[in-house]
Amino acid sequence: GAGVSQSPSNKVTEKGKDVELRCDPISGHTALYWYRQSLGQGLEFLIYFQGNSAPDKSGLPSDRFSAERTGGSVSTLTIQRTQQEDSAVYLCASSLGDNYNEQFFGPGTRLTVL
Amino acid sequence: AQKVTQAQTEISVVEKEDVTLDCVYETRDTTYYLFWYKQPPSGELVFLIRRNSFDEQNEISGRYSWNFQKSTSSFNFTITASQVVDSAVYFCALRDTGRRALTFGSGTRLQVQP
Repeated sequence: GAGVSQSPSNKVTEKGKDVELRCDPISGHTALYWYRQSLGQGLEFLIYFQGNSAPDKSGLPSDRFSAERTGGSVSTLTIQRTQQEDSAVYLCASSLGDNYNEQFFGPGTRLTVL
Repeated sequence: AQKVTQAQTEISVVEKEDVTLDCVYETRDTTYYLFWYKQPPSGELVFLIRRNSFDEQNEISGRYSWNFQKSTSSFNFTITASQVVDSAVYFCALRDTGRRALTFGSGTRLQVQP
């Protein structure tokens, strides 16, 4: 079956612009995660969605970052007023429920802020 | 707080050598799960194994084996008879009851030379 997909695969933007990154989880997976991978910080958790529960936003680095998950499926991560330190690969993962199941990752979106 | 330490930043071996990647974790929970992921040059994180805290049996899958020792809080990964296709960055990760997302180690880059 189809895996987790993310778009765009690459995004180059200018400092101060807003960007939207999209994630399509595996069909039937109720849990969705966003992570960020950067050279200096490794793999960092950003936000977690599980079903209709309130998302866990504890990993978001600033209020410029937000995410939505519509209809329990597709998710969009929005970064407002991008800064150069936002440059990283943004990874989305999904898992079957919330029972410590393995998370399956998408190919990521490489964001470059000039 | 959770923490995962992968002290080996980079390892280089010659094909057919055995290699062990170390992973040490910290958690206050008695219930937790440990994971290994592979990130090949293409960038996508590939799930390798999940192990729960109540199961200390070692696991073997083909050329891969994992040694889980609660006494030393370690979950090491051994590749037997390494191959060039094993070249990748390998991440160890932890999930406990305190946090839904994975806490990743910093990764070990494995280079297998022909």
